[in-house]
Amino acid sequence: GQQVMQIPQYQHVQEGEDFTTYCNSSTTLSNIQWYKQRPGGHPVFLIQLVKSGEVKKQKRLTFQFGEAKKNSSLHITATQTTDVGTYFCAASRDSSYKLIFGSGTRLEVRP
Amino acid sequence: GAGVSQSPRYKVTKRGQDVALRCDPISGHVSLYWYRQALGQGPEFLTYFNYEAQQDKSGLPNDRFSAERPEGSISTLTIQRTEQRDSAMYRCASSRSTGQNTEAFFGQGTRLTVV
Repeated sequence: GQQVMQIPQYQHVQEGEDFTTYCNSSTTLSNIQWYKQRPGGHPVFLIQLVKSGEVKKQKRLTFQFGEAKKNSSLHITATQTTDVGTYFCAASRDSSYKLIFGSGTRLEVRP
Repeated sequence: GAGVSQSPRYKVTKRGQDVALRCDPISGHVSLYWYRQALGQGPEFLTYFNYEAQQDKSGLPNDRFSAERPEGSISTLTIQRTEQRDSAMYRCASSRSTGQNTEAFFGQGTRLTVV
C-alpha cells in the first residue's frame, strides 16, 4: 500500500540552529501537505504543495516538493522554542482522496 | 461549529464492550476522515466519507470497526467487542471540498482505553 517515509524520527537542536525534516514516497504523489502537532495537541495544517519543484515559504519555514513529486522537505531557519512539536507530512496519490501521514519528526529546541 | 468536535474526549471501557465515538465536523464540510493515532506515531487512516457516502474504508482494521455518517454531517465510529489493542487516540478530521488540495481540520480526538 501507499507509504510515506519520514526522517529523522527525532531531532534535538539548540535554539537558533536550523532544522530539516524529509518525506519520501516510492510512488508519485498528487500533492503533499505538512502539519504540526504540539505536545498534547492535534495536527494543524501548515501548507500544501501541488506542483513539481514547488517551493513555498512561511516566515522561517521553507517547504519544497521534489521535481519527481516523490519527496518533500520542511526546513526551519533559526529555530525558536515555539517550533517545538512533531511535524508530519501527509500525501495523497493520484485520484485517491485518502490522506496518508508519515510517522513524523519530533523537534525539541534547547533554549 | 467553530471547529471539529469529538466526544467523548476520554473513554475507558472494559474489554468486550462496544463503544461509539462521535465526530461533529465543521459546518458545511463535505469530507470527513477518521484516523487512529498511537503515541509517537502519525495518524493512521481508517475511513473516509464524502457527504454521507463512505468512499474508502480500507483502513478499518477488521470487521469490529464500522463507521457511518447518515446525514452527511455527524459521524460515528463504532468498535464492537473492544480489545486492549484498540486502545489509542481516535481522531476525526473534516475538509471543505470533495477534491484534493484542501486542508484537513482535526478535532481534539477521543482517547480510548480498553482495560
